[in-house]
Amino acid sequence: AQSVSQHNHHVILSEAASLELGCNYSYGGTVNLFWYVQYPGQHLQLLLKYFSGDPLVKGIKGFEAEFIKSKFSFNLRKPSVQWSDTAEYFCAVNPDSGYALNFGKGTSLLVTP
Amino acid sequence: SQTIHQWPATLVQPVGSPLSLECTVEGTSNPNLYWYRQAAGRGLQLLFYSVGIGQISSEVPQNLSASRPQDRQFILSSKKLLLSDSGFYLCAWSPTQGHEQFFGPGTRLTVL
Repeated sequence: AQSVSQHNHHVILSEAASLELGCNYSYGGTVNLFWYVQYPGQHLQLLLKYFSGDPLVKGIKGFEAEFIKSKFSFNLRKPSVQWSDTAEYFCAVNPDSGYALNFGKGTSLLVTP
Repeated sequence: SQTIHQWPATLVQPVGSPLSLECTVEGTSNPNLYWYRQAAGRGLQLLFYSVGIGQISSEVPQNLSASRPQDRQFILSSKKLLLSDSGFYLCAWSPTQGHEQFFGPGTRLTVL
């Protein structure tokens, strides 16, 4: 079955540590890729997206993600996290420019001061 | 700018009661509209989407239904709620398919 896997369900980091959240998908065709974030008490919002072109994409708040087609991966990174990055992060895949966004189960990130 | 509203924000309903959740979008026309459900410990699951008034596509068979009576209004309904309908329901819109989707604040439904 087609799926989106996020490797880490809970991550705890100290401020200034580097972050990498893994995302793998199992769709064989063309995909559009997204990372969404949900801060405590707020709407789900878009961090960054990849449709085509440069596989390294930059998003808001210093986040970036790299699409590696051969590995079916779209990992999220940030060189130095802040306490305000505490949130839940979701990877989503849109296969073949269809209607559905298929989400991973999410990763809960806690950044400690 | 575009905004998306959902209400109510929270709802507690007994098993067997009806349900109506409403979603409206402002600042855009002819959007694609979506209903997702997020159960505890899971990602978001697409329930329904609509590309126009009166056009509804269901992604999973279930106890719920959706309707789109107006261009920017999307309603999620049930005639008789089940315990398994509990969850967090999110409405989203996008300008077209394949595009990013923009999410509303959600409705937390508890069925007792």
